[in-house]
Amino acid sequence: NAGVTQTPKFQVLKTGQSMTLQCAQDMNHEYMSWYRQDPGMGLRLIHYSVGAGITDQGEVPNGYNVSRSTTEDFPLRLLSAAPSQTSVYFCASSETLRPYEQYFGPGTRLTVT
Amino acid sequence: AQKVTQAQTEISVVEKEDVTLDCVYETRDTTYYLFWYKQPPSGELVFLIRRNSFDEQNEISGRYSWNFQKSTSSFNFTITASQVVDSAVYFCALSEGNYGQNFVFGPGTRLSVLP
Repeated sequence: NAGVTQTPKFQVLKTGQSMTLQCAQDMNHEYMSWYRQDPGMGLRLIHYSVGAGITDQGEVPNGYNVSRSTTEDFPLRLLSAAPSQTSVYFCASSETLRPYEQYFGPGTRLTVT
Repeated sequence: AQKVTQAQTEISVVEKEDVTLDCVYETRDTTYYLFWYKQPPSGELVFLIRRNSFDEQNEISGRYSWNFQKSTSSFNFTITASQVVDSAVYFCALSEGNYGQNFVFGPGTRLSVLP
């Protein structure tokens, strides 16, 4: 099993550009989520999904869109990147019946200039 | 609302010293989970321990030990005989909610172990 994979590892965007951060898991986990990590603030939840076709907002959802068309994939879209979205993004997944066993991806470091 | 506080922003110790990282949490739920994660300079999140709210037993794993006290809402982490490889950012986290998967992380404590 590859676990949770994220692409790309690094990305530089200009303000106003759009892009999609990819997240995939091969463990058949129902639950997937996106976090952003900023210095001095820990990780904060952006969006999450409890299964295909179901998504919900976390603590800091503004500026991000998600969809969950398959169990395996949970992409995070930035429609119009802003410098405030410069951060490290982590994707995570877990089984619904074992929510406490979160598997985190390796992270994507995004810089918006 | 749930909240996790790690009051120590940065700690520096000399190798072989013992060090304790503090974590204080707030929650209204009676069922919740507490976690510690390590983030080394390479950036990945390394799971260290999980504890549920009904299990207040302290735990020891090698040089690592954890002290969970519900009376003070604390879940502190001690490294005994620290090593340079322990240098990292350490996060305490809390999960609750309908499915218990939504984690709230503390701001992290950066530990530097000097040779």
